[in-house]
Amino acid sequence: DGGITQSPKYLFRKEGQNVTLSCEQNLNHDAMYWYRQDPGQGLRLIYYSQIVNDFQKGDIAEGYSVSREKKESFPLTVTSAQKNPTAFYLCASTLTLAGGTDTQYFGPGTRLTVL
Amino acid sequence: GQQVMQIPQYQHVQEGEDFTTYCNSSTTLSNIQWYKQRPGGHPVFLIQLVKSGEVKKQKRLTFQFGEAKKNSSLHITATQTTDVGTYFCAGCPVNRDDKIIFGKGTRLHILP
Repeated sequence: DGGITQSPKYLFRKEGQNVTLSCEQNLNHDAMYWYRQDPGQGLRLIYYSQIVNDFQKGDIAEGYSVSREKKESFPLTVTSAQKNPTAFYLCASTLTLAGGTDTQYFGPGTRLTVL
Repeated sequence: GQQVMQIPQYQHVQEGEDFTTYCNSSTTLSNIQWYKQRPGGHPVFLIQLVKSGEVKKQKRLTFQFGEAKKNSSLHITATQTTDVGTYFCAGCPVNRDDKIIFGKGTRLHILP
């Protein structure tokens, strides 16, 4: 059964701690994306990767870091430098590098709450 | 910068009434996509429009792409409780096929 998995579904962290969100896909998709969703704000792109060991900043990359060591994995680290990290984080992938014209497949999301 | 504006932000309709959400881009788009996110869920792809003036239908849903490829609309006929959720449009600027810009979405509430 192919798809995108994100874990955990809910995550609580203390302020000042780094936290890593997992995203795995077995769709053999080339490109992967991280979005942040806040109430009433839609989806804002944090980082995306079109190929292993390469990634680009999105619109709101400050305070976040990513890695793409394997094609199927694209973890996101929310660092202590992110001023307002509490949000719903969505991972997505596209079959091709053309993320703008290809269907985005989303994972179930991780809801991060920083206390 | 490039933006995709979506209105209205919220819409409450009686079950059985029609619903429309509109999407407007500050720049010409090569395509527009529509996604639906159920409450507590994640966005799911509905459709993609590519041609100027294109109209596509999925049962009670009608999608349109403007002639200038800068605007789009989603119309739902005779809404049902299963239509509840947030509808997002997402556009790809011309000559930037690696980039997609999401609108902020329209949240649809159905009153029984």
